[in-house]
Amino acid sequence: QVQLQESGPGLVKPSETLSLTCTVSGGSISSYYWSWIRQPPGKGLEWIGYIYYSGSTNYNPSLKSRVTISVDTSKNQFSLKLSSVTAADTAVYYCASWYYDSSGHGGWYFDLWGRGTLVTVSS
Amino acid sequence: DIQMTQSPSSLSASVGDRVTITCRASQGIRNDLGWYQQKPGKAPKRLIYAASSLQSGVPSRFSGSGSGTEFTLTISSLQPEDFATYYCLQHNSYPPRLTFGGGTKVEIK
Repeated sequence: QVQLQESGPGLVKPSETLSLTCTVSGGSISSYYWSWIRQPPGKGLEWIGYIYYSGSTNYNPSLKSRVTISVDTSKNQFSLKLSSVTAADTAVYYCASWYYDSSGHGGWYFDLWGRGTLVTVSS
Repeated sequence: DIQMTQSPSSLSASVGDRVTITCRASQGIRNDLGWYQQKPGKAPKRLIYAASSLQSGVPSRFSGSGSGTEFTLTISSLQPEDFATYYCLQHNSYPPRLTFGGGTKVEIK
């Protein structure tokens, strides 16, 4: 059974870079797309971006200038870096798999999710 | 960018009620839409993909419909475990720009 687990610092100072890693266990990262999503406390979900195991990426235009998502297939991990953070970047950060189901009509969806990790931006 | 307007933002309902949640897209997105359920402190869970396809393991009281710009999620008979927040997600355009709706919190009446 494939599982995802986020890890990284829970506290980041303003203007610094937020760094998180998602470890994929029970399966290979060399399939699917792998995504980051965040949720500020008490608010809705925001897609950050995704990466294919080959390294191709697609980012939310509103965050693109500050976001880098990378993959390490040897470790079965993918990572998020968000630069120049402010208090507005305080959120629970989720990693998830973005999957295409070819059955029936076919379609994309977020299939597996990590439990999420709270990152607070504060001095 | 495509904007998703979800309504209502919250609703109160009783067990057994029929509940309908709507998402409207700012432009046509074919059927490139899914629905997710989130309970407090938990990650979202997939319910519907491709606007109307029920995910494996999801009870049949959940259904989705729509195409183009207007979509609905219907819970035919609300159960105690269905009290949660529901989000739509569109992934139209190439390259995809994924956008969530603002969410609908379903509370106990």
